Amino acid sequence: DVKVTQSSRYLVKRTGEKVFLECVQDMDHENMFWYRQDPGLGLRLIYFSYDVKMKEKGDIPEGYSVSREKKERFSLILESASTNQTSMYLCASSPDRDRGGEQYFGPGTRLTVT
Amino acid sequence: AQSVSQHNHHVILSEAASLELGCNYSYGGTVNLFWYVQYPGQHLQLLLKYFSGDPLVKGIKGFEAEFIKSKFSFNLRKPSVQWSDTAEYFCAVTSPDTGRRALTFGSGTRLQVQP
Repeated sequence: DVKVTQSSRYLVKRTGEKVFLECVQDMDHENMFWYRQDPGLGLRLIYFSYDVKMKEKGDIPEGYSVSREKKERFSLILESASTNQTSMYLCASSPDRDRGGEQYFGPGTRLTVT
Repeated sequence: AQSVSQHNHHVILSEAASLELGCNYSYGGTVNLFWYVQYPGQHLQLLLKYFSGDPLVKGIKGFEAEFIKSKFSFNLRKPSVQWSDTAEYFCAVTSPDTGRRALTFGSGTRLQVQP
């Protein structure tokens, strides 16, 4: 059974803080993704990675960066958190390198920036 | 850019009613289509998917969806809903021939089933 875990379910940070969200998958998947989920907007892609140290910007990368030093781990970094980054953050992974296949999601981290 | 539209934002049904949730996408090439469901407090999980072949796809928990290429649609159906189907439903698409591996999601439909 594929398992995607995220380091925190709930997180409260102050404006201007540096925030790290961690994601780990245990199925040796090549692809990993970060989305944010907001009411009425669905899920929007922030960044994804298709291999270690490889990353590509998604649809809304501004204010975020990522790191993938190991295949199983994909980190999302908010360099200087702002209130408009209050959201639910979902990590996902998938085994396909060459086509868009099914993705497996973690439980999400609800981040509040005050 | 590719987009996905879910026109029903909030649907309220009584148990045993039939369900149809609309999904339309914009890309004209090859697509992989998905419906995901998020039950209250739970992970987003796959309900069903279409890659190729029979355009009528059956998923878990009695759900099915029909791919109609000419209408760019992938509507979700269930003949008789249960209270336990209360959840948020997301349609999503990838387009392999564009190289996009990430999912493009619709805005979601919140389904509330009343007992």
